[in-house]
Amino acid sequence: LAKTTQPISMDSYEGQEVNITCSHNNIATNDYITWYQQFPSQGPRFIIQGYKTKVTNEVASLFIPADRKSSTLSLPRVSLSDTAVYYCLVDAQGGFKTIFGAGTRLFVKA
Amino acid sequence: NAGVTQTPKFQVLKTGQSMTLQCAQDMNHEYMSWYRQDPGMGLRLIHYSVGAGITDQGEVPNGYNVSRSTTEDFPLRLLSAAPSQTSVYFCASSYGTGNEQFFGPGTRLTVL
Repeated sequence: LAKTTQPISMDSYEGQEVNITCSHNNIATNDYITWYQQFPSQGPRFIIQGYKTKVTNEVASLFIPADRKSSTLSLPRVSLSDTAVYYCLVDAQGGFKTIFGAGTRLFVKA
Repeated sequence: NAGVTQTPKFQVLKTGQSMTLQCAQDMNHEYMSWYRQDPGMGLRLIHYSVGAGITDQGEVPNGYNVSRSTTEDFPLRLLSAAPSQTSVYFCASSYGTGNEQFFGPGTRLTVL
């Protein structure tokens, strides 16, 4: 199972773009990269998933370079409500042993 | 759809007591799992199931049992509660491996 490494915490201001990078040097060919968001006292919530290049949805973009050894979650114009913990997961299609690391605590200030 | 539901929301046990945490989903998902989250930490996988009648151990299975008699339900049993099992427990389900997981609201368990 590929291990992921993320910054422990990040600070930002409202209206800024936030980029959180995740390293996964041992990613396997079948692995997908998935990001979750977790607010205090709630379960994690799916944000975005990708395999390669760039994926965009209504809340975020995910950039994955060709070697797939890292990925970057981009949150455009963050607001106070984006203060949360963000988890990067590398999840094999053929397995179900999802590993959540400690995540990145994002604190958005006014 | 109610999604993933968990009961109870809060529970206090004494050391040595047993109890069952309930988890149910109404999305007809084959895959279900149980995680625990200790303060300031990420989630750790306890047990998971890839379908009715099939379960397997995750990262931290000791002290817990599971069963999956129906697609909808995936209860987690604490056999003999210990203070080290004080944690928040989350149940999740997904359509398949690698797919988006839907998490329940969690059960906050304290073992005295």
